[in-house]
Amino acid sequence: GAVVSQHPSWVICKSGTSVKIECRSLDFQATTMFWYRQFPKQSLMLMATSNEGSKATYEQGVEKDKFLINHASLTLSTLTVTSAHPEDSSFYICSARPWTSGKEETQYFGPGTRLLVL
Amino acid sequence: SQQGEEDPQALSIQEGENATMNCSYKTSINNLQWYRQNSGRGLVHLILIRSNEREKHSGRLRVTLDTSKKSSSLLITASRAADTASYFCATDRGASGSRLTFGEGTQLTVNP
Repeated sequence: GAVVSQHPSWVICKSGTSVKIECRSLDFQATTMFWYRQFPKQSLMLMATSNEGSKATYEQGVEKDKFLINHASLTLSTLTVTSAHPEDSSFYICSARPWTSGKEETQYFGPGTRLLVL
Repeated sequence: SQQGEEDPQALSIQEGENATMNCSYKTSINNLQWYRQNSGRGLVHLILIRSNEREKHSGRLRVTLDTSKKSSSLLITASRAADTASYFCATDRGASGSRLTFGEGTQLTVNP
């Protein structure tokens, strides 16, 4: 149980285009999903917290107009990188936290999406 | 800056040896979690230890937490080549939203 998928697993795009990444919780409902970015040999940096039915909460320094997040259902959150540039090339990872009996602790991570902007 | 700092940044050992990784953090926490990441992959949750716990075991994993020193350690006993991966600690402050803050990670290499 507690499987999170991401699609696509990798994407190459031209500078200036937009890319949408999907994050799905396959066997549980998640009122909250998180989006992280990870550069090579570095740690995960939280970009934003995605809440079902409401606006995402962005971390300081993350442009909300560039990284659009939509949490349309209890099992799906999407991250759209708009007008992508080479510096947006990174590994994007989502996570989802099950809501079980009111306890919120463990997050389950997706396999990540590698984005390369040419 | 990252909440957590881990040492060592890299650790190379022989199969069968024990591996110890340390994590320090700066603020009060609700719980601390350890994750594993194979190269280019997502994270796998290993173990969660709450702020009122001092030690926890799971198979070959042993985690300790010292809230007075704001530090935690992860011990992997009888290491195997398949344990080669990056290991991250992550702190959860327990505030609204319970966001995780990750440490810099330790790259563990277990040589056969």
